[in-house]
Amino acid sequence: KQEVTQIPAALSVPEGENLVLNCSFTDSAIYNLQWFRQDPGKGLTSLLLIQSSQREQTSGRLNASLDKSSGRSTLYIAASQPGDSATYLCAVNVGYSTLTFGKGTMLLVSP
Amino acid sequence: KAGVTQTPRYLIKTRGQQVTLSCSPISGHRSVSWYQQTPGQGLQFLFEYFSETQRNKGNFPGRFSGRQFSNSRSEMNVSTLELGDSALYLCASSLVQPDTQYFGPGTRLTVL
Repeated sequence: KQEVTQIPAALSVPEGENLVLNCSFTDSAIYNLQWFRQDPGKGLTSLLLIQSSQREQTSGRLNASLDKSSGRSTLYIAASQPGDSATYLCAVNVGYSTLTFGKGTMLLVSP
Repeated sequence: KAGVTQTPRYLIKTRGQQVTLSCSPISGHRSVSWYQQTPGQGLQFLFEYFSETQRNKGNFPGRFSGRQFSNSRSEMNVSTLELGDSALYLCASSLVQPDTQYFGPGTRLTVL
């Protein structure tokens, strides 16, 4: 059974810091890995999708990497801003659009 | 292009009642998935539909059911509601397999 773990569970940083969020999964048989952000009480916003054959994806200040063999992914956020405060979720696609999610990292960026 | 929409946004029901939630995917998307989010369990997969066929189902009791219509709109139904069914129910759609999944705003269900 696929299990996804995210570390740390919570993170508080001052504005401007670069930070790394970690995600690990137990079964390397995945189709892709997706990072989402969720604001309190809201739905999920897709940030980045990495296909299983890819090593990384970039979008603006965000960079996500994938090491399928070791079951790890990282989300790098450069020059963090207060607007980045949210919960960040990692999910692996195990087939048929079935996502297995981690519990998330709650990020707080203070001005 | 309009995003994934879910109705209603909020629902309050009492134990034993039944509820139906609706999801309209992004135009052209044929895959619709449903998830339950609770503080304790996080996000858990309920089921996935593609072209009106349920292709995968999560580990939930039979009280949870769903369907998809020919226009790709989907509904999920929960019968005999329990307090533990209180959650945010999220719907997601995608264009092809496997691909980016786009989530709706969710339906907040409270069972009293």
